[in-house]
Amino acid sequence: EVQLVESGGGLVQPGGSLRLSCAASGFTFSSYWMSWVRQAPGKGLEWVANIKQDGSEKYYVDSVKGRFTISRDNAKNSLYLQMNSLRAEDTAVYYCARLVVPAATLYFDYWGQGTLVTVSS
Amino acid sequence: SYELTQPPSVSVSPGQTARITCSGDALPKQYAYWYQQKPGQAPVLVIYKDSERPSGIPERFSGSSSGTTVTLTISGVQAEDEADYYCQSADSSGTPEFGGGTKLTVL
Repeated sequence: EVQLVESGGGLVQPGGSLRLSCAASGFTFSSYWMSWVRQAPGKGLEWVANIKQDGSEKYYVDSVKGRFTISRDNAKNSLYLQMNSLRAEDTAVYYCARLVVPAATLYFDYWGQGTLVTVSS
Repeated sequence: SYELTQPPSVSVSPGQTARITCSGDALPKQYAYWYQQKPGQAPVLVIYKDSERPSGIPERFSGSSSGTTVTLTISGVQAEDEADYYCQSADSSGTPEFGGGTKLTVL
């Protein structure tokens, strides 16, 4: 059974930093692209970042470029999101998701339960 | 990136058919995907590649595509189908994009 378990969320002041983790199990982690997707309170889903199987390619939504860094440790079956210079608008539930990338398309086939990040003074 | 447009809400009585649309200029060239999200829960993939159903998803969920619009159809709606539904596709550079979501209310 595929499982994705996020951790690391919490309350942080504007300008602060936080590192999210996602522990994966039930599949060959190193064979899949992985992603972070967020959802602000009462709002819709917003893709944040993708990372290729070996970490050689990373992509970000414009609003987090230069502030967030996605990474992975295939030996530990873990995905990470380092978030720096946090802003109030980054407040959201952050989901770890497995990304399927067949030719010329992509989608998220499994999601974790999410971890809440609140940016507030 | 580009926009995917969904109606904010759809209401239907139990046993009837619910249709949720998603419109976008790139949809004739890109596959669409649908996710169901119940309150306090993570999204669940219910339709992939316009019309394919993942294992474990009830047969009453189906998808179709016509031009710039894709449609999620739920036949014989049940109370447990009340949820938010999001369409998703990708732009030409491979950036994922979500629609704004549709709240399905079962009357």
